[in-house]
Amino acid sequence: QVQLRESGPGLVKPSETLSLTCTVSGGSMNSFYWSWIRQPPGKGLEWIGYIYSTGSTNYNPSLKSRVTISVDTSKNQFSLKLTSVTAADTAVYYCAREQNWGFDYWGQGTLVTVSS
Amino acid sequence: EIVLTQSPGTLSLSPGERATLSCRASQSVSSNYLAWYQQKPGQAPRLLIYGASSRATGIPDRFSGSGSGTDFTLTISRLEPEDFAVYYCQQYGSSPQTFGQGTKVEIK
Repeated sequence: QVQLRESGPGLVKPSETLSLTCTVSGGSMNSFYWSWIRQPPGKGLEWIGYIYSTGSTNYNPSLKSRVTISVDTSKNQFSLKLTSVTAADTAVYYCAREQNWGFDYWGQGTLVTVSS
Repeated sequence: EIVLTQSPGTLSLSPGERATLSCRASQSVSSNYLAWYQQKPGQAPRLLIYGASSRATGIPDRFSGSGSGTDFTLTISRLEPEDFAVYYCQQYGSSPQTFGQGTKVEIK
């Protein structure tokens, strides 16, 4: 059974960089797409971007200038960096495995609050 | 980007009743690449339906999806207590993939 777990700071100051890591267990990362998705408190879901196991990426244009997703398949991990954060970036951040038919495995999510 | 509009915002029903949820796209969804997810409080979304009408692994057959082009529907034939949740549609045919704003199915 594939499992994903997000980790990283729960509090980030405005203008700083949000950094999260997703650790994948129970399966290989190879030949899959791995995504980050976020959900502001009480609101809907927003796709941030994905990385393929070989390293190619695709980002949401609304965040593209501030987002970097990277992968380390030797550690079974992929990571998210979001620069110049504001209060609008406060959200639960999920990592997920993306198939051709949708997101089939998700992490439990981690709340990141942007506040001084 | 494709904007997905879900209706109604909230659906108040009793266990055993039928639920019909709508998702309308601002433009045609390529290859009917439309999925439905269920989310309960404090949990990650769970994939229910993909390709507009195919059930994901382990999803009960009371859940069904239909539609094509710009109009899609999720139907829950008889609501079980565990079905009260928020439901999201998602299109993955065009980048960026996008989600609807959600429909909450609550106990009447």
